[in-house]
Amino acid sequence: DTGVSQDPRHKITKRGQNVTFRCDPISEHNRLYWYRQTLGQGPEFLTYFQNEAQLEKSRLLSDRFSAERPKGSFSTLEIQRTEQGDSAMYLCASSSGLNSYNEQFFGPGTRLTVL
Amino acid sequence: SQELEQSPQSLIVQEGKNLTINCTSSKTLYGLYWYKQKYGEGLIFLMMLQKGGEEKSHEKITAKLDEKKQQSSLHITASQPSHAGIYLCGAYHSGAGSYQLTFGKGTKLSVIP
Repeated sequence: DTGVSQDPRHKITKRGQNVTFRCDPISEHNRLYWYRQTLGQGPEFLTYFQNEAQLEKSRLLSDRFSAERPKGSFSTLEIQRTEQGDSAMYLCASSSGLNSYNEQFFGPGTRLTVL
Repeated sequence: SQELEQSPQSLIVQEGKNLTINCTSSKTLYGLYWYKQKYGEGLIFLMMLQKGGEEKSHEKITAKLDEKKQQSSLHITASQPSHAGIYLCGAYHSGAGSYQLTFGKGTKLSVIP
């Protein structure tokens, strides 16, 4: 399978704990995106990487959130001191940089539950 | 206010019936994308529309873009249970340099056999 993969698929944690999610994009894609989706809503943009550079960050990305893409391949999203409001599906997507507005291909998501 | 409004919010149709889902943008569109999502899963890319008047089809699903109205419609012909899911429209609203997709809230489609 050469699609976008995410790990873990599900994560249950206690409030105050730190969690880290991983995303592996489609291999030839140089753009990588993180979104958050809560029940009954569409995905909301969090951040975007072109290769290893983080070029856009949403105001939704508080200082408890940090994302990295150290070698321009896989990416990690860390949430520190989790809160119940962080419970959501975290989606990763990737796209090629051939055209300005290419379609983004999404992974299966990581569902986070904060108790 | 929502930048992308989808209607209806939910839809229940009998198998074999046709249906249409609409997506209206309050801002200039630089690209309109349709995705399908099964509950609790990731998004599956369906179609991308970039030019006014553009129409694309894949199997029994057709999408059109009306640039003047900043609106897109997704039409499913002869619906099947496999069409059930949440349909999301997404769009690029900013000019060059911003690649975040903005999404509507989705339309939940149920198809009754």
